[in-house]
Amino acid sequence: GAVVSQHPSRVICKSGTSVKIECRSLDFQATTMFWYRQFPKQSLMLMATSNEGSKATYEQGVEKDKFLINHASLTLSTLTVTSAHPEDSSFYICSGGTGTFGSYNEQFFGPGTRLTVL
Amino acid sequence: DAKTTQPPSMDCAEGRAANLPCNHSTISGNEYVYWYRQIHSQGPQYIIHGLKNNETNEMASLIITEDRKSSTLILPHATLRDTAVYYCIVSGTASKLTFGTGTRLQVTL
Repeated sequence: GAVVSQHPSRVICKSGTSVKIECRSLDFQATTMFWYRQFPKQSLMLMATSNEGSKATYEQGVEKDKFLINHASLTLSTLTVTSAHPEDSSFYICSGGTGTFGSYNEQFFGPGTRLTVL
Repeated sequence: DAKTTQPPSMDCAEGRAANLPCNHSTISGNEYVYWYRQIHSQGPQYIIHGLKNNETNEMASLIITEDRKSSTLILPHATLRDTAVYYCIVSGTASKLTFGTGTRLQVTL
């Protein structure tokens, strides 16, 4: 299957700082990229969907000014957690989708980034 | 997207087949059934998907009932490395995936 990488895999930061997480599709072009968040012992929750070159669509309850998403190319999307606080500590996972209208919706997931805010 | 119902947990002996059920009684005609799994502290891994017909790949088989209201994922010879949370997701084309709580499969010796 296709490969998605995330960097960094783990980050610890102080409260109030901003953290950038990169998501790259290594061997395919992702028409759409998705960002999820997962708290301990819970399922993945979709945060936002982004298409290359356009603004991200955020899920209800997700602050777009706090979680900045940039999808500059078909192989790179970034999530910036601005002014991070301890409650933002979580496992952040991205995925790249290759589906087009009329075809099935296959997504390839990155390995995740564990963010700890002190 | 249609909602799915899965048992919270299952056990399976290593080497035996693991049969994971999923109910999706409100599935609509253009929605696919997807199965993903997540091993602890990793990103989800795609397993298989289907629309109407049964499907098989190198990882698993997917059996979809004729009325499409339920399906079963079959891991033919479970190993310890198959211990994970398995998610059954129903989604239309080019739509987002909504993860439920999944089934925690524990494979034991």
